Amino acid sequence: EVQLQQSGAELVRPGALVKLSCKASGFNIKDYYLHWVKQRPEEGLEWIGWIDPENGNSICEPKFQDKASITADTSSNTAYLQLSSLTSEDTAVYYCAREVRRAMDCWGQGTSVTVSS
Amino acid sequence: DIVLTQSPASLAVSLGQRATISCKASQSVDYDGDSYMNWYQQKPGQPPKLLIYAASNLKSGIPARFSGSGSGTDFTLNIHPVEEEDAATYYCQKSNEDPYTFGGGTKLEIK
Repeated sequence: EVQLQQSGAELVRPGALVKLSCKASGFNIKDYYLHWVKQRPEEGLEWIGWIDPENGNSICEPKFQDKASITADTSSNTAYLQLSSLTSEDTAVYYCAREVRRAMDCWGQGTSVTVSS
Repeated sequence: DIVLTQSPASLAVSLGQRATISCKASQSVDYDGDSYMNWYQQKPGQPPKLLIYAASNLKSGIPARFSGSGSGTDFTLNIHPVEEEDAATYYCQKSNEDPYTFGGGTKLEIK
């Protein structure tokens, strides 16, 4: 079964850094682009960016370029999203998703990040 | 960047009737003969679920009461006949090029 299993909820201090994981099973991440999406409480979906795990190339939406870093480890079949200099604006659920035919056909369950002192 | 405008922001449809959701792009999302517009359904506390890809292709396992149409800048998601379980928020998304922007969402209530 194709699955994306994301890491657990995070409570982090303002100004800190957090690294979220997204472990794939049932497929090899080298064969697909993986995306990250942000959803603030009671708000819509925001696309953050993608990574091609085969070569490590990644793209981030310009508004996230100083905030987010997307990486992947093909040996563990896992993608990562690192968020830096966290503020209350970063409090959200973060999803990873697999791209097939330019659509996100399989999603992780989401990781909740709460930024609070 | 291309902006996606969904309408209405919310709608209430009677059981068994038709729900129609519009997504308008500020520029064409056509590329190489295809229209790169996707539709997702999201229920509270759950991740989004892909319904339609490339404007009109139903994802395997999605009920045939969901259909998508459109090209260029104007796209539509239809649900007919609406069922109780279709109560959710629906998002369009462009994927012709980066960024893969989402629309603002449409909340569907079943009467």
